[in-house]
Amino acid sequence: DVKVTQSSRYLVKRTGEKVFLECVQDMDHENMFWYRQDPGLGLRLIYFSYDVKMKEKGDIPEGYSVSREKKERFSLILESASTNQTSMYLCASSKRDTLTYEQYFGPGTRLTVT
Amino acid sequence: SQQGEEDPQALSIQEGENATMNCSYKTSINNLQWYRQNSGRGLVHLILIRSNEREKHSGRLRVTLDTSKKSSSLLITASRAADTASYFCATGLGGGYQKVTFGTGTKLQVIP
Repeated sequence: DVKVTQSSRYLVKRTGEKVFLECVQDMDHENMFWYRQDPGLGLRLIYFSYDVKMKEKGDIPEGYSVSREKKERFSLILESASTNQTSMYLCASSKRDTLTYEQYFGPGTRLTVT
Repeated sequence: SQQGEEDPQALSIQEGENATMNCSYKTSINNLQWYRQNSGRGLVHLILIRSNEREKHSGRLRVTLDTSKKSSSLLITASRAADTASYFCATGLGGGYQKVTFGTGTKLQVIP
């Protein structure tokens, strides 16, 4: 069974704090993704990575950075959290093949910035 | 900007009825996926359809794709209370490094 885990289900941080969201997958997937989900806006891609130490900006990278030092782990960093970053954050992974394109999602982290 | 727009935004039906939700997108795609999200959880992949396919079935799910109209539909037959969830389409351009663009979702409620 593919498993994608995220470090926290709920997180409350203060404005200006540095926030780390961790994601780990156990299926040796090459591709990993970070999304944020807001009501009425669906899922929006923040960053993705297709290999260790590689990263690509998604649609809304401003205010975020990422780190992928190991294949199984992809971290999302909020350098200085702001209230408009209050959201649900979802991590996903996928194999680098053209058979299924299926993304496997973690349970999500609901981040509140006060 | 969002690639996929789903319609309707919300749908409420009785158990046993069929549920149809639609997805429209703006530019050419290689494939389209449908995902389900139970309340407050991660998404689960349901089905993938490629641009050279018109229809696919998986259990009680039927997906159609009309590339000329840039639209797809997901039909759930004989719905159950457990089908209550949000449904998202996701469009992709293909290739091993594929990233997808998700639509805004349809919230389905199946009343027992």
